[in-house]
Amino acid sequence: GAVVSQHPSRVICKSGTSVKIECRSLDFQATTMFWYRQFPKQSLMLMATSNEGSKATYEQGVEKDKFLINHASLTLSTLTVTSAHPEDSSFYICSARARSGGWQFFGPGTRLTVL
Amino acid sequence: EDKVVQSPLSLVVHEGDTVTLNCSYEVTNFRSLLWYKQEKKAPTFLFMLTSSGIEKKSGRLSSILDKKELFSILNITATQTGDSAVYLCAVPYSGAGSYQLTFGKGTKLSVIP
Repeated sequence: GAVVSQHPSRVICKSGTSVKIECRSLDFQATTMFWYRQFPKQSLMLMATSNEGSKATYEQGVEKDKFLINHASLTLSTLTVTSAHPEDSSFYICSARARSGGWQFFGPGTRLTVL
Repeated sequence: EDKVVQSPLSLVVHEGDTVTLNCSYEVTNFRSLLWYKQEKKAPTFLFMLTSSGIEKKSGRLSSILDKKELFSILNITATQTGDSAVYLCAVPYSGAGSYQLTFGKGTKLSVIP
């Protein structure tokens, strides 16, 4: 149980385009989903927290107009990187916390490369 | 500001060795400490520790928390090449009801055959 999927697993795009990453909880309802970014050889950095049906809470230094988060249902959250630039290239990981409690289960991550 | 510090940052051992990874923390309102293993993709959950002095064990891995000294250790006995990974320690943010995690930088473990 407690499986979280992400799609796509890898994306390469041109500078200036927008990229959408999906995060799904497959066998549980996730009231809260978290989005992290991880640069090479660094730890996970929380970008934002999203609760189903409400606006995401962004961490300091994360532009909410650039990283659009939608948590429209209890099993799906999306992160859209708008007008992506090469410095946005990173490993993006989502995690989900079940309605029933407990800690976070992580998705497999999405490797974004912006050319 | 909550802080999590892991040491060493990297470690190279031979198969069969025993390793100890360290995690120290500073949080305003401690609730728990979590250990994750990260290979090429996202972290996988290992342990959650809430009480001091009680060892959690899973196979060759074990972990213990010292709330007085504000640290935890993760032990791996009889290491195997499959244990090669980055081991992350995390604590929840101090805010009430918050389940956000503050991660340490991780310990990169390399197990050589």
